[in-house]
Amino acid sequence: GENVEQHPSTLSVQEGDSAVIKCTYSDSASNYFPWYKQELGKGPQLIIDIRSNVGEKKDQRIAVTLNKTAKHFSLHITETQPEDSAVYFCAAATTGTASKLTFGTGTRLQVTL
Amino acid sequence: NAGVTQTPKFQVLKTGQSMTLQCAQDMNHNSMYWYRQDPGMGLRLIYYSASEGTTDKGEVPNGYNVSRLNKREFSLRLESAAPSQTSVYFCASSEAGGVGSPLHFGNGTRLTVT
Repeated sequence: GENVEQHPSTLSVQEGDSAVIKCTYSDSASNYFPWYKQELGKGPQLIIDIRSNVGEKKDQRIAVTLNKTAKHFSLHITETQPEDSAVYFCAAATTGTASKLTFGTGTRLQVTL
Repeated sequence: NAGVTQTPKFQVLKTGQSMTLQCAQDMNHNSMYWYRQDPGMGLRLIYYSASEGTTDKGEVPNGYNVSRLNKREFSLRLESAAPSQTSVYFCASSEAGGVGSPLHFGNGTRLTVT
């Protein structure tokens, strides 16, 4: 089955700096790659996703890039703010009839003042 | 709009006890899921229901059973709890079961088995 590796496990940046989180996946059939943000005591929330027919997608300060040949995708957050502090999960979906996402192990991002 | 509601929020069980985790969504979604979250392991799929009346095993189904009671509700049952089932459990729903349908998560149930 699919295996998703995520790095780093923790990341500390100063407010205003950029943050990059990287994921690799193993199943070349995967074609959907969402990113979720989990705040303390809450469930994960989708922040951005990308499909395999697109190389990059942006939404304000957040962007995701996908390299299908190398089987890796990354989350980029620019101009980080304290409210960006959270745990971020990448995921990859196998094709089929259900969104059976395989998640990475998470990155705890801390934005310091 | 409540979204996905899970009860209870916290639970402590003794080894061998049983319990049911409840989940309900008010978004008229077709698909529902149960995940567990453990430190350093991300979220792992226990069971899912692609549509009302169907359920399928995920990555870690052993020790669990599920019931899709109706379109809104999807429960997870632990028949004989074990310490290895200490975890945070998340229910999620999506509009459709196909790839690319975003998951909406509840706020989780923190379960401790002693």
